[in-house]
Amino acid sequence: KQEVTQIPAALSVPEGENLVLNCSFTDSAIYNLQWFRQDPGKGLTSLLLIQSSQREQTSGRLNASLDKSSGRSTLYIAASQPGDSATYLCAVNSGNTPLVFGKGTRLSVIA
Amino acid sequence: DAGVIQSPRHEVTEMGQEVTLRCKPISGHDYLFWYRQTMMRGLELLIYFNNNVPIDDSGMPEDRFSAKMPNASFSTLKIQPSEPRDSAVYFCASSFSGLSGNEQFFGPGTRLTVL
Repeated sequence: KQEVTQIPAALSVPEGENLVLNCSFTDSAIYNLQWFRQDPGKGLTSLLLIQSSQREQTSGRLNASLDKSSGRSTLYIAASQPGDSATYLCAVNSGNTPLVFGKGTRLSVIA
Repeated sequence: DAGVIQSPRHEVTEMGQEVTLRCKPISGHDYLFWYRQTMMRGLELLIYFNNNVPIDDSGMPEDRFSAKMPNASFSTLKIQPSEPRDSAVYFCASSFSGLSGNEQFFGPGTRLTVL
């Protein structure tokens, strides 16, 4: 059974700092991995989707990497801003099964 | 496209009452998912449909929960009777041929409070 873990559960950084969020999964036989952002009281917004054949994806200040063999993904946020404050969730697609989510990392960027 | 639409956004009800949550997926999407999110358990899949057919309902917690998808543009999640432990945010998501590669798009959620 696939399990997804996100560490740390919460993170607080000063504005302008570069930061890395971590995601690990137990079964490396995945099809893709998706990073989501969730603002308080809101739904989930898809940020990046990495296919199993890819090693990274970039969107603006965000860069997600994938290392299937080690069961890890990272989300790198460059030059963090207060508007980046949210919960970031990692989810894994293992094929003919729905996404399995981690519990998220709650990020606070302090101005 | 307006995205995934859910109603109501907030629901407060008393224990024992029937609750119906509604979802309109993105047009053209063939998968629809119902999730529940709580602080303790995080995001849990309840059930998902493919082309309006329920594929896996193993996440439905009890017989009190039921879900239907009468057509490609509408789904309901019903709880009868509701209990305080059902209080959570319920999300609907949809995707196109979603399981093996395509992104899931989430609705804004319904915050359910059962008193």
